[in-house]
Amino acid sequence: NAGVTQTPKFQVLKTGQSMTLQCAQDMNHNSMYWYRQDPGMGLRLIYYSASEGTTDKGEVPNGYNVSRLNKREFSLRLESAAPSQTSVYFCASSPWTSGDYNEQFFGPGTRLTVL
Amino acid sequence: AQSVTQLDSHVSVSEGTPVLLRCNYSSSYSPSLFWYVQHPNKGLQLLLKYTSAATLVKGINGFEAEFKKSETSFHLTKPSAHMSDAAEYFCVVSERGAQKLVFGQGTRLTINP
Repeated sequence: NAGVTQTPKFQVLKTGQSMTLQCAQDMNHNSMYWYRQDPGMGLRLIYYSASEGTTDKGEVPNGYNVSRLNKREFSLRLESAAPSQTSVYFCASSPWTSGDYNEQFFGPGTRLTVL
Repeated sequence: AQSVTQLDSHVSVSEGTPVLLRCNYSSSYSPSLFWYVQHPNKGLQLLLKYTSAATLVKGINGFEAEFKKSETSFHLTKPSAHMSDAAEYFCVVSERGAQKLVFGQGTRLTINP
């Protein structure tokens, strides 16, 4: 049981380049999330998906797109990377359904640097 | 709207002494509260959760937290610090039934030999 996996672990981009961060979970969870972590700011939600085929914006969605490919996979795309998107990106999943508390399980993170 | 304030950005204690990491929250309804730990260059791991059962919650590695509604607090404690406790700790709030979590800014815990 690998839990939540993310690829790549590290990435360096030049301004304007595009890339996709991949996330997969093997816990049969309904919900998946993308966060970014910046020093002194905790984790901020970028996008989330309550189920296959649905996605919603979080707190900081500008400059990102997402795809919930199937129940297991949730990808994050940067179409034109900017230095302000230098951050550590975390994917998470949860078995959340309406009415429950939302315990989330996190991947190991992707460290992205945009030059 | 929900919010979380971690009252210390950095806490430093000696090995074997007690740990106290402070967290205050704001929530309109019945909250769920969590503490997560992040070791250097790692993902986040759940330490413990409060979900409206017992107000004193025990977690992994000897940590516990007490939900105090009158003080809107959920402070994390451990009786005796260990070197392996050095990490960043996040207090997190969620409205019961809500999908989104709101994270505090984090408290970095340093353990001195």
